[in-house]
Amino acid sequence: DIVMTQAPLSVSVTPGESASISCRSSKSLLHSNGITYVYWYLQKPGKSPQLLIYRMSNLASGVPDRFSGSGSETDFTLKISRVEAEDVGIYYCGQLLENPYTFGAGTKLELK
Amino acid sequence: EGQLVESGGGLVEPGRSLKLSCAASGFTFSNYVMDWVRQAPKKGLEWVASISTGGGNTYYPDSVKGRFTISRDNAKSTLYLQMNSLRSEDTATYYCAALPYPYWGQGTLVTVSS
Repeated sequence: DIVMTQAPLSVSVTPGESASISCRSSKSLLHSNGITYVYWYLQKPGKSPQLLIYRMSNLASGVPDRFSGSGSETDFTLKISRVEAEDVGIYYCGQLLENPYTFGAGTKLELK
Repeated sequence: EGQLVESGGGLVEPGRSLKLSCAASGFTFSNYVMDWVRQAPKKGLEWVASISTGGGNTYYPDSVKGRFTISRDNAKSTLYLQMNSLRSEDTATYYCAALPYPYWGQGTLVTVSS
């Protein structure tokens, strides 16, 4: 199974500042079709997860452009610029390259 | 806008069965591969099952293979998860989702306990 390792497990950010979350996969997530199958989700307190970034760097519909995704074949980064109160929650990376789909343990973002 | 609504969760004894349903609306359900994802209390996300658009192909992790069955009725825009031989470690909130897309249900809680 592909293991997804996130860091840090928690981050405390001053509103208006930026935050970065890292995710590393145990296997390349780059498919032969040129698409990298890493996804980012945010679970706000008491809510269902919501899709933020798909295929490593594509912003999901309705997601503010303060969010961005980047990376290589095995190392990925979610960056949040100008953090706002509504960004609080747990961020998960996940791989949808192959079964079983797997997720990172999550990164909890809090405000200072 | 797409919406997914799960139902069927509840308290069940170990070894018993339960069937979850997920009603889809606002998008063409039959065009999407669908998934079930669960989240144990205070834990992370675990993918549980996937089903192809026509229902002919299904996929499971080893933790539920042979016990859980995913199915769909495209005419009713409904996804199902039949869970048999339930264990205490299956206790979780179960989400219906189309993982590569922004479609997630609100979740239904399954508690396996005597």
